[in-house]
Amino acid sequence: NAGVTQTPKFRVLKTGQSMTLLCAQDMNHEYMYWYRQDPGMGLRLIHYSVGEGTTAKGEVPDGYNVSRLKKQNFLLGLESAAPSQTSVYFCASSFTRTAGLLYEQYFGPGTRLTVT
Amino acid sequence: KQEVTQIPAALSVPEGENLVLNCSFTDSAIYNLQWFRQDPGKGLTSLLLIQSSQREQTSGRLNASLDKSSGRSTLYIAASQPGDSATYLCAVGGFFNKFYFGSGTKLNVKP
Repeated sequence: NAGVTQTPKFRVLKTGQSMTLLCAQDMNHEYMYWYRQDPGMGLRLIHYSVGEGTTAKGEVPDGYNVSRLKKQNFLLGLESAAPSQTSVYFCASSFTRTAGLLYEQYFGPGTRLTVT
Repeated sequence: KQEVTQIPAALSVPEGENLVLNCSFTDSAIYNLQWFRQDPGKGLTSLLLIQSSQREQTSGRLNASLDKSSGRSTLYIAASQPGDSATYLCAVGGFFNKFYFGSGTKLNVKP
């Protein structure tokens, strides 16, 4: 049981390049999330998904796109990278079991992205 | 928009002390609140989750409390150890379990 995994772990991009970050979870969780973490600012939600084929915007969605074609995978895309997107990106998943109760978020190890 | 604040931003204590980390939030309409630990360069490790209907949760030397009406949560660490040194993050869960994070408290426990 690997939990939440992220690929790649590190990446350096030049301004204007594109890339896709992959998040995978093997816990059959319905909900998945992408966050970014910047120094001194905590984590901020970029996009999230409440099920296969559905996505929604979080706090800071501009410059990012996402897709959830399979329940276990959540992809984050940067179409034209900018230096302001230099950050650590975390994926998380969560689930609901009892009606009205939402449970823990489980986090991946993170992807450290530098845009030069 | 939910705003989450953690005070203090940094804390240094000698080994063996009991300590309290604070988290406050502006919107009391929350689903749950989760405390995490983050070691340098690492991901987040879940410590405790408190549902909105609960007042506290305990795990080993950790105890987290929740007072929704006042918009506050505390994380109590008993008999601190150098291995407890890390950044502690508070996250408030809203609709669809979207989490709003504080900026964390960096704890250093000195041997």
